[in-house]
Formats: sequence, C-alpha cells, structure tokens
Amino acid sequence: AQTVTQSQPEMSVQEAETVTLSCTYDTSENNYYLFWYKQPPSRQMILVIRQEAYKQQNATENRFSVNFQKAAKSFSLKISDSQLGDTAMYFCAFMKQGTNAGKSTFGDGTTLTVKP
Amino acid sequence: DTGVSQDPRHKITKRGQNVTFRCDPISEHNRLYWYRQTLGQGPEFLTYFQNEAQLEKSRLLSDRFSAERPKGSFSTLEIQRTEQGDSAMYLCASSLTGQGRDEQYFGPGTRLTVT
Repeated sequence: AQTVTQSQPEMSVQEAETVTLSCTYDTSENNYYLFWYKQPPSRQMILVIRQEAYKQQNATENRFSVNFQKAAKSFSLKISDSQLGDTAMYFCAFMKQGTNAGKSTFGDGTTLTVKP
Repeated sequence: DTGVSQDPRHKITKRGQNVTFRCDPISEHNRLYWYRQTLGQGPEFLTYFQNEAQLEKSRLLSDRFSAERPKGSFSTLEIQRTEQGDSAMYLCASSLTGQGRDEQYFGPGTRLTVT
C-alpha cells in the first residue's frame, strides 16, 4: 500500500515571496504519477502540477515547480511570486501508472496562507 | 466541457435515513471515482469505475454503501441507514485513461451532514 505524508499542516508566506511545500511518499512501485492539487476555501479541487516517475526532469507550470527526488521518495512544490489567490489547501497525491492504475492516495494537506 | 458536476451540493439528513448522490463526469472520460473527505484531511478513496464496471472498492466502503454507473456515464452513490460518522464531503472525479495523462478532475463535492 502507498502512503503520502505532508509534514507541514500550515504555512504562510508574504505576497511575492517564494514558498516550498513538502511531501514524502512510500511505495514499492516503479512506475507512478505524483500530483499536487489545490483546494481553495469552499471551492473544488484543481490540479496544479503532475510528474511522471520515469521522467528525471522536474515539472514546471508557470509559477509552480516541483523538486522530485525519486530515490528519496520526495516531491516538494515550490510556488514563486506568491499571490493572494494561492491561498488554499494543497494536497500531494500518488497514483500508480499502467492498466491497473486507479485510485489516488492523498496526503492530509498543507494549508497555505498568502499574506498581503 | 462543463467539468464534473455533483448533485446535491449539500444534504442534511437524519440518522437512519438513506441518501443518494449523483455525479456527472466529463463527457469523454471513461473512469469515475468516489472519494470521501473529512475536515482537515485529504480525500480517501472509496471506489472507482471504468465505463460501467466497478473495478475497485475500498475496505472503507461498508455494506451500507453502494455505487453504480449503469450506462458508463453518470454515477450514483447511495448510503443506507446513515450514521453520524458518515458526515463528510463526498467527492467525485473523472479521468480519461489510456491517453498518457490519467489525472483526475474533481467535482465540487456533496457535503453530507447526518444529525
């Protein structure tokens, strides 16, 4: 079974600054995806960024980038130039890859507050 | 494409009553997932379908829970004889498998309160 751990329940950052959210996971699988999802207050969850485990290059999406360390089973999210709209709960998630892939396993989230 | 929709958005019921939730996935998506989320925690997997076939059920899903996706499109999740511990947000997600992406798109959720 897979587990995902987010060790920072809450974080805050000043607007325009950079913040890094941590995520570690445990799996015996070799082929998998990792995701970061954002859940704003009272709004639905949206995908921020995805990483395929076979890719060595870290994924980037505009102000969002990841630091994927497969051997260490670490998958952190860096948000650059933080904006007030980034205030949300952020979830790290794991999903097996392949024909039997299905469910995602989520961490318990990190609540990020961007301060003006 | 209007995204994943769920109905109702909120449901308040008395303990012992039955409730049913509906999820409409993104139209071309072949997989549909149900998760449960309690306050301050991440979503927990309940079950998922590929087309109309239910491929996996979590051990969290007691006999009081049943899900269907009869025509491979929308899905329903029924909870019989609700208990206070069933109070949670029920999330539906869908994905298109086999295109090399597989990420799940979530609906707004149905918040269930059992009194």
